[in-house]
Amino acid sequence: NAGVTQTPKFRILKIGQSMTLQCTQDMNHNYMYWYRQDPGMGLKLIYYSVGAGITDKGEVPNGYNVSRSTTEDFPLRLELAAPSQTSVYFCASISAGGGNQPQHFGDGTRLSIL
Amino acid sequence: RKEVEQDPGPFNVPEGATVAFNCTYSNSASQSFFWYRQDCRKEPKLLMSVYSSGNEDGRFTAQLNRASQYISLLIRDSKLSDSATYLCVVRSSIHQAGTALIFGKGTTLSVSS
Repeated sequence: NAGVTQTPKFRILKIGQSMTLQCTQDMNHNYMYWYRQDPGMGLKLIYYSVGAGITDKGEVPNGYNVSRSTTEDFPLRLELAAPSQTSVYFCASISAGGGNQPQHFGDGTRLSIL
Repeated sequence: RKEVEQDPGPFNVPEGATVAFNCTYSNSASQSFFWYRQDCRKEPKLLMSVYSSGNEDGRFTAQLNRASQYISLLIRDSKLSDSATYLCVVRSSIHQAGTALIFGKGTTLSVSS
């Protein structure tokens, strides 16, 4: 059982380049999330989705876009990479929005923008 | 006020020590509470959920005080393998229809022999 899979694991971008961070889960979870974690900081929510076709902004959405065309996939796009977006990005999912169910996290994507 | 605040740390303790982490949260409507553990350059992993009645898992004890909006984690008989960053996490409603985990910055624990 793969759980939450993120690709790539590492990437270096130049300022102004664009890229898509991929996230897929095989647990048929409705809720999916993108977080970023800067050094020495907690995770901050970028975007989330409560189901296919539905997305909404989190705490730090600027500079990012998402889509949710299927239950399994929740890609995160950076259109014009900036140094401030250097971070570790985590994708997570959960079957339903409430309760004590834990979120399942991917291994993370380490992104450096130079 | 940040939504979830933790002790700044780091905590440096010898093996066998008892260490306590504290956390406060600002959203009184927060629904669920957790402690996550994060090892260096790894994804966060659930350590334990936290309930108002208090709960214990081996050497780990978690407490929740909803009236004070306070969460704690006690680790007894610390092991070298307990060295990690401990994240206080609450589940809160966000925007219209969703909930999400809101993370504290984390407290780093270093256990030495």
